[in-house]
Amino acid sequence: GESVGLHLPTLSVQEGDNSIINCAYSNSASDYFIWYKQESGKGPQFIIDIRSNMDKRQGQRVTVLLNKTVKHLSLQIAATQPGDSAVYFCAETPAGGKLIFGQGTELSVKP
Amino acid sequence: AAGVIQSPRHLIKEKRETATLKCYPIPRHDTVYWYQQGPGQDPQFLISFYEKMQSDKGSIPDRFSAQQFSDYHSELNMSSLELGDSALYFCASSLEAASAYNEQFFGPGTRLTVL
Repeated sequence: GESVGLHLPTLSVQEGDNSIINCAYSNSASDYFIWYKQESGKGPQFIIDIRSNMDKRQGQRVTVLLNKTVKHLSLQIAATQPGDSAVYFCAETPAGGKLIFGQGTELSVKP
Repeated sequence: AAGVIQSPRHLIKEKRETATLKCYPIPRHDTVYWYQQGPGQDPQFLISFYEKMQSDKGSIPDRFSAQQFSDYHSELNMSSLELGDSALYFCASSLEAASAYNEQFFGPGTRLTVL
């Protein structure tokens, strides 16, 4: 079936470095793409989203890039901090409704 | 700000028993989603409700049922529990009428362990 997947299951970075987490999606009909952060034992927490008619969207220390040509989504975290350590999921949703999650990437930030 | 409340937070059951998970959405949110997350897995959509009616259904076993009540809280009923049902169960709520895309706010989850 349709799915959203991630290239890398784990990512280890040094505190202060920039992090890039990648995601490939397969449903070209999806309207929105969202990044979630999940800390151990907690529910997914919204980070940033992007609509399918956009290529880039910036938030506080985070940037999401969408490449519809190759169906690729990425999350960039600037100046990564220890508090950023978590599992990051990309998700897609066709015009609202249920979320289809991809495989998570575990981000580990070394002090 | 009020968040999504789920109860219980932890639940231990034996095989073939039943379980009921409860979800209280953010006030004024009219849509509830249920997701199941197995160990090391991504959350999988189970079922959703909008204005007390089922709005979508995912890979939910026939042994599971759910409903949304008049106060918008939702319950996920699970019968004939199997070992493979052990997982984190998340509820998320959103305000359906706000826009075409509505951010879903997740609860802390219920960790179900089936022995």
